[in-house]
Amino acid sequence: AAGVIQSPRHLIKEKRETATLKCYPIPRHDTVYWYQQGPGQDPQFLISFYEKMQSDKGSIPDRFSAQQFSDYHSELNMSSLELGDSALYFCASRRRGGQGEGTDTQYFGPGTRLTVL
Amino acid sequence: AQSVTQLDSHVSVSEGTPVLLRCNYSSSYSPSLFWYVQHPNKGLQLLLKYTSAATLVKGINGFEAEFKKSETSFHLTKPSAHMSDAAEYFCVAQGPGGSQGNLIFGKGTKLSVKP
Repeated sequence: AAGVIQSPRHLIKEKRETATLKCYPIPRHDTVYWYQQGPGQDPQFLISFYEKMQSDKGSIPDRFSAQQFSDYHSELNMSSLELGDSALYFCASRRRGGQGEGTDTQYFGPGTRLTVL
Repeated sequence: AQSVTQLDSHVSVSEGTPVLLRCNYSSSYSPSLFWYVQHPNKGLQLLLKYTSAATLVKGINGFEAEFKKSETSFHLTKPSAHMSDAAEYFCVAQGPGGSQGNLIFGKGTKLSVKP
């Protein structure tokens, strides 16, 4: 079965640089979530999109922005990178529209490991 | 406010012995609850979920969890641990907004399995 795809899997950047992380949800999933997991930490919710509109916002810094495109893929843009941004960034997708099995479950991608030097 | 508490940061068992990972939740309503597993340098994999149907939920790889409203608990168990079960386990609740909300993670429990 198709899963959530994230690219790149690994990314190394310098301080003050920018980074773009991409997420391709499971086909027919209309909702995308972004999470940040720092070293030894639990994942923290950043932001979510439903049908290309922002639906919820968590602890996302103002330096970060995100959007969901017409094909439902999403991109997380990170500017003025700081050392503390080094983390594993997960994308999860969910089929919110409709009913039935699985519409309440978020399926996670493998993550993008960002290292800021 | 909704919260999830995993009572043990680290659990160590011997292969073939039972596993118990404890989780308590705090919520003003009956939330959807999940257990996810994360193997080293891997993504999060859904083990099982509770969504107000049967209180005993069976998941993959022989894991199961029982929702106990009176104890606000959702402990994860497995009768016999396998070496491949060594991983980090997260108890997760559906966040505010009901079925549309984000996930709230516990701090995680690292499971070690000794030969």
